[in-house]
Amino acid sequence: GIQVEQSPPDLILQEGANSTLRCNFSDSVNNLQWFHQNPWGQLINLFYIPSGTKQNGRLSATTVATERYSLLYISSSQTTDSGVYFCAVDLPNSGNTPLVFGKGTRLSVIA
Amino acid sequence: KAGVTQTPRYLIKTRGQQVTLSCSPISGHRSVSWYQQTPGQGLQFLFEYFSETQRNKGNFPGRFSGRQFSNSRSEMNVSTLELGDSALYLCASSLGQEKQFFGPGTRLTVL
Repeated sequence: GIQVEQSPPDLILQEGANSTLRCNFSDSVNNLQWFHQNPWGQLINLFYIPSGTKQNGRLSATTVATERYSLLYISSSQTTDSGVYFCAVDLPNSGNTPLVFGKGTRLSVIA
Repeated sequence: KAGVTQTPRYLIKTRGQQVTLSCSPISGHRSVSWYQQTPGQGLQFLFEYFSETQRNKGNFPGRFSGRQFSNSRSEMNVSTLELGDSALYLCASSLGQEKQFFGPGTRLTVL
């Protein structure tokens, strides 16, 4: 099946720093989503981005579908950005797995 | 619109018991998917229901089952609980095969 790999697995930042999280996938995908999982476990939608670039405040994302990767940029990080960031893909003509998740990047932002 | 709601939020059971978890999707959403999250396996897809029919199923044993009602609310049931079933169970809703919105999850502990 499709492999979704995220890097780095862990990241520690000083407040105000910028960061780039990467998601590689091994096959063509229909769609790609980025999520932030807060300390209470809820997955918060960040971006729905099968291709191209989107921005939302301090966050932006770029997906290059032809090269099978997506990047999530966080600028001027804040302590509230801490948590785990997941990318998830769904496959064209998918059978059993509507969303396949990577293992996540755990981000800690220190004041 | 109200978001996806899940009940109960926390649950403690003993081995051999069964459990039923409930999920109410966003109003108008007809697709409900269930995922299991554990530290070892990450986020794994359980099943998806659309208009009361199971549309997709992940690789879980038959002890895991679900259903969807005419109002799109969904329940999942786990029978004969095992220690390894301890996990965060997340429900997601969508209009179809599109952007998915997740609920806060039910944290199940099996003793």
